[in-house]
Amino acid sequence: GQQVMQIPQYQHVQEGEDFTTYCNSSTTLSNIQWYKQRPGGHPVFLIQLVKSGEVKKQKRLTFQFGEAKKNSSLHITATQTTDVGTYFCAGQDSNYQLIWGAGTKLIIKP
Amino acid sequence: DTAVSQTPKYLVTQMGNDKSIKCEQNLGHDTMYWYKQDSKKFLKIMFSYNNKELIINETVPNRFSPKSPDKAHLNLHINSLELGDSAVYFCASSQDALAGGGTGELFFGEGSRLTVL
Repeated sequence: GQQVMQIPQYQHVQEGEDFTTYCNSSTTLSNIQWYKQRPGGHPVFLIQLVKSGEVKKQKRLTFQFGEAKKNSSLHITATQTTDVGTYFCAGQDSNYQLIWGAGTKLIIKP
Repeated sequence: DTAVSQTPKYLVTQMGNDKSIKCEQNLGHDTMYWYKQDSKKFLKIMFSYNNKELIINETVPNRFSPKSPDKAHLNLHINSLELGDSAVYFCASSQDALAGGGTGELFFGEGSRLTVL
């Protein structure tokens, strides 16, 4: 079946370093959504990308959708302790079903 | 007011029991969902439901059943609980379709942590 692979599973960074998570789909996606889940919390919507090659920014967060609409990335510049959590991508397939990545956990080293 | 609320937040029960988790959304959304999140944080869709259609993930055991008394509520009933059912269960809702098709952003409840002993 359709899959969205998300890597890495974990990323340890020093505060102030950058963080990136990547999602790759086996098939073309209609669009892709990104969510953040804080420890002990629930997933919270961050953004949706629809257009091929789209790039969107939210302060220190940059989201990209690939030209082929099969891959996407989230990049955080100069991480802060408030960025800690698990970041999920969720791609919509041709039937508009959401296919979730496994998540990337951002851990700030003490 | 909380957009998507689910109760109880915590549920501890014995194997073999039957339990329910309730969910309500006040966003006027067309579609509601139940997700299961295991200890590894994988988010697995269990059901999606709107006024027209119930979509069941075929991997979900038939011990799990959604019940929707109206558009704003989607409850989850679990019969004969097993140890492997221990997880956090999230209810979510979304608007049915965006311009051009597709599902809008999902709004999640705070989760119900189920522990089966």
